[in-house]
Formats: sequence, structure tokens, C-alpha cells
Amino acid sequence: AQRVTQPEKLLSVFKGAPVELKCNYSYSGSPELFWYVQYSRQRLQLLLRHISRESIKGFTADLNKGETSFHLKKPFAQEEDSAMYYCALSGRWKTSYDKVIFGPGTSLSVIP
Amino acid sequence: DTGVSQNPRHKITKRGQNVTFRCDPISEHNRLYWYRQTLGQGPEFLTYFQNEAQLEKSRLLSDRFSAERPKGSFSTLEIQRTEQGDSAMYLCASSLVGEQVYGYTFGSGTRLTVV
Repeated sequence: AQRVTQPEKLLSVFKGAPVELKCNYSYSGSPELFWYVQYSRQRLQLLLRHISRESIKGFTADLNKGETSFHLKKPFAQEEDSAMYYCALSGRWKTSYDKVIFGPGTSLSVIP
Repeated sequence: DTGVSQNPRHKITKRGQNVTFRCDPISEHNRLYWYRQTLGQGPEFLTYFQNEAQLEKSRLLSDRFSAERPKGSFSTLEIQRTEQGDSAMYLCASSLVGEQVYGYTFGSGTRLTVV
């Protein structure tokens, strides 16, 4: 069964400190992993996709298949990073992709 | 095209009443998804369509829930005989799925309160 876990419901860091949001998943095949973000009073939006190997707003995420993890990292947190972050997974099924399953989310608070 | 649009934004209804929500996806997106989100939880999958075909329904979707996407464009989610436990944010998202999966574009959601 597909499952995404985010062990921290709340995470507080000081501005300028490194931040790491943890995500672990279970999936028997080869998944696609995502991070979504929801800022206060805004809609849920895609932050980054593993497949793109991109850095968005200074955030990166590395897929570790051995540890089945996809942690989100940023070297220097900014106040505007305060938001709800959701790790998500989509499985490949035959020639197409399955629905996205979301983790429970981590609320990041950056302290000035 | 201004993204995914959901109506209404808020709905307050009495227990036992029927409600219907509408979602207008991004026009070129072939997939449309419905999720439900309660406080402190991530979005929970309800159902999704590829064009007009409903490909999967979650076990969360009791027989009081029905979704349609009649022409492969907009979609409606109806809840019959609402219960207090149906109170939640109902999210719609659309995406383009082909050789690879792209991220979802979400609507602002419809917040349902059953009193």
C-alpha cells in the first residue's frame, strides 16, 4: 500500500538556520515524489518534484530509495518560508501514473 | 484560463440536506481529482477522472457521495443526506498526465459546514 509519513507536525527554526522537513514513504514500485506548500490563506501549490531535480525558493529534496525518504532541505530559512508543507507520492501503474497520496503535513514556523 | 476554479467557496447546510460542489479545471488538463481535507490532516483522496471516465473511487467515498464529469470538462461532487462528519474542505485539482506525471494545480476549495 502507498503511504507517506511526516513525523513532525510542527517545526520551528530561527531565521537563517538550516531547515529539514522529513518525509518517508512506502511504495512497492518506483514512485514519483513531490513537495507541496500551503501559505497562510492561499491554495495548496506544488513546490517541487523529484523528477525535475530542481531547487525552488532555495529548497531541495533528495530521494533516498534505500531509506525510502524524500526530505526537504533549505540551508538558510526565511520568514516567508513559514507555511504548511506536504510530502506527496504518485505511483506508476502500467503506462500511466496513479493518484497522488499526501502526507499529514508539517507546519514550519520561522522565528525572526 | 485562470487556474482551477471551485464554487461555492463556503457552504453551510443542515444535516440531511443535499449539497453539490462544482470544479472547473485548467482546460488542457486531462485529469481531475477530488480530495477532502480536515483540520490538521493532509488531503485525502476521494476520486479522480481522466477525461470523462471516473477511474477510481476511494473507500472514503460512501454511496452518499457521487461525482461526475460529463463532458470531460467541469466536474460536480454531490453529497446526499449530509452528516456532521462530512464537514471539511473539499479540494479539486487538475493535472496533465502522459509520459510523466506533472504536479497538481489545486483550486481554493469549498468549505462545507454541516450543522
